[in-house]
Amino acid sequence: GAGVSQSPSNKVTEKGKDVELRCDPISGHTALYWYRQRLGQGLEFLIYFQGNSAPDKSGLPSDRFSAERTGESVSTLTIQRTQQEDSAVYLCASSFFRGVQETQYFGPGTRLLVL
Amino acid sequence: DQQVKQNSPSLSVQEGRISILNCDYTNSMFDYFLWYKKYPAEGPTFLISISSIKDKNEDGRFTVFLNKSAKHLSLHIVPSQPGDSAVYFCAASARVFGNEKLTFGTGTRLTIIP
Repeated sequence: GAGVSQSPSNKVTEKGKDVELRCDPISGHTALYWYRQRLGQGLEFLIYFQGNSAPDKSGLPSDRFSAERTGESVSTLTIQRTQQEDSAVYLCASSFFRGVQETQYFGPGTRLLVL
Repeated sequence: DQQVKQNSPSLSVQEGRISILNCDYTNSMFDYFLWYKKYPAEGPTFLISISSIKDKNEDGRFTVFLNKSAKHLSLHIVPSQPGDSAVYFCAASARVFGNEKLTFGTGTRLTIIP
């Protein structure tokens, strides 16, 4: 596809369950970012991938959060033992990374609701 | 701490007039600034950016101004159109971070009144 895609678009889960969120970046984009937006707040950075490596995980809020990227393409964000405060829109973005600042292009997001 | 601040949560502007959205930042390491527009149930869409070596960048109806000494940037939309009604996010990044992770403001909801 032409843009960044994410799945599922919506996810409702019970507290304590694990969830997996998927991101398909724009083909050829080497950099991939995960952000989240909680209600009434701005977007907050979670993790950055360059290729399949994650040199910056500084935004992950707890060890219940993990992410991986394979084939320099698809990325999965996993939240274990979900809590109600994990409810948010999780957004993925991708860009070229050529040593100069590049525009990040965002997917539509996954809306996660933890009951 | 909120390193990028958008102090106006909402703004209403008459169609055809100028919309001015403001953003302040505190981290002097930021050297690249972007504006994104977001419609409900969609991801943010890139609008315009500016590097810290410039003080103005223009693209059609959109102009971004950067005042480094005041750590302030603004987005001007002229003339404003009904389709401009959306939430606008200011974002900043710094090459010193080693990547381009964005720090976002909390957004300003712009409503264009026909």
